[in-house]
Amino acid sequence: RKEVEQDPGPFNVPEGATVAFNCTYSNSASQSFFWYRQDCRKEPKLLMSVYSSGNEDGRFTAQLNRASQYISLLIRDSKLSDSATYLCVVSDAGNNRKLIWGLGTSLAVNP
Amino acid sequence: DGGITQSPKYLFRKEGQNVTLSCEQNLNHDAMYWYRQDPGQGLRLIYYSQIVNDFQKGDIAEGYSVSREKKESFPLTVTSAQKNPTAFYLCASSIFGSQDTQYFGPGTRLTVL
Repeated sequence: RKEVEQDPGPFNVPEGATVAFNCTYSNSASQSFFWYRQDCRKEPKLLMSVYSSGNEDGRFTAQLNRASQYISLLIRDSKLSDSATYLCVVSDAGNNRKLIWGLGTSLAVNP
Repeated sequence: DGGITQSPKYLFRKEGQNVTLSCEQNLNHDAMYWYRQDPGQGLRLIYYSQIVNDFQKGDIAEGYSVSREKKESFPLTVTSAQKNPTAFYLCASSIFGSQDTQYFGPGTRLTVL
């Protein structure tokens, strides 16, 4: 089993749609969780950290389920500018300075 | 403006040559990292440094070397021993003791001809 696993997609959705991505991780001792966004041929940018209680930032909501070892990202009212690859990132439980990166889920929002 | 800079954006080298990629940050972050990204693969950690004059190998350190003489700077040398050096190289930094949130520079695309 991969350490961090994501559905690669692509997810093709119309503008205004709601879309959800899931990500599973293998190490139950991992402590930190993030969603990053990466545009084509650009660097990853932090979208949001994921907290145990769940958190929301505008149209974006992240959830953590420790029991099932997955995190999710919900995007409401999708915009064309949301088209990107979304990377699920989990801290290495044995080393807090290291992060383990998923391969990403590709999202295309269509007019 | 605080941030991380990497130069150059594109770099072309002949096979067998060593090349050094620059990474500078003015965020006052303690930790710095080098990653490599290849098509269809996730980010892979090459080296990281938590403090000046100290660094650790990541998952794919073979064929690479680094130095951390100043807090702001973490250059990466791609040596001729690296078998497949053509890739997108990303430098990142984080605040020591944070929840490991890492912030990235714009990257350097290295092509070895």
